[in-house]
Amino acid sequence: DTEVTQTPKHLVMGMTNKKSLKCEQHMGHRAMYWYKQKAKKPPELMFVYSYEKLSINESVPSRFSPECPNSSLLNLHLHALQPEDSALYLCASSQEQGVGQPQHFGDGTRLSIL
Amino acid sequence: SQQGEEDPQALSIQEGENATMNCSYKTSINNLQWYRQNSGRGLVHLILIRSNEREKHSGRLRVTLDTSKKSSSLLITASRAADTASYFCATAGFQAGTALIFGKGTTLSVSS
Repeated sequence: DTEVTQTPKHLVMGMTNKKSLKCEQHMGHRAMYWYKQKAKKPPELMFVYSYEKLSINESVPSRFSPECPNSSLLNLHLHALQPEDSALYLCASSQEQGVGQPQHFGDGTRLSIL
Repeated sequence: SQQGEEDPQALSIQEGENATMNCSYKTSINNLQWYRQNSGRGLVHLILIRSNEREKHSGRLRVTLDTSKKSSSLLITASRAADTASYFCATAGFQAGTALIFGKGTTLSVSS
C-alpha cells in the first residue's frame, strides 16, 4: 500500500468533459507534485506546490488547473483535454521542496481521452 | 530536458543473477536517487546517494557514484522475479526548490 492515495484509478472522458483528479497524503509533507507519464517514458513534472502555494508550473497548458486546498490534498482539474493528454498522472509528495528530497508517489490515475 | 540517461534500456536475466544498470548525467548534482516502478504502479524510492558519497548499500542494492565521470550504477544482487520493473535514476541540483530530473529508465525482466 502506498502512503499517497490517488483517485480515481482510471478515468475515461470526452474532450468536452470537466473532471478532477485527487491526491491525498497524511505524512505531514509540505511539498506535493503532479507528474504526467506516457508509456515506457519517465515521469514529466507538471506542477509543484510548496506549503500550499504553487511553486513550479512547467509551462503546462491551461486545460490543466491544479489546486491545493490544504496541506494534505492536491487536485488537478481537467477541462477540454486532447487525445494526446491520455497518460498516467502521478501525484507525489516530499517532506519539503528542499534540495533533492526523496519523493513518495501514489499509484496514479490512468486517464484516457476519447 | 532530461539529465539522466540509463543504460541499458532493457535487461533480461534469470533469477539468482545480478543486474547492473547505469545512469549518466550532464551537470553537477547534489544527490542522485534511484526509483523502481512496477507495471501499472507509482514509483518507489529505493536509495539516495549524495555527491560526496561513492558507494551505498541497502539490502540487495548497491549504488555507486562517480562524480568525475558523472555516472552512477545500481547493482541488484541475487535477483528475484519480483524485481521485474522499470528503474529510473533521478538527479537533484544544488538550488533549493528545483525539481528532480528523471532519466529514461531501464526495464528489468527477471525470469524464474
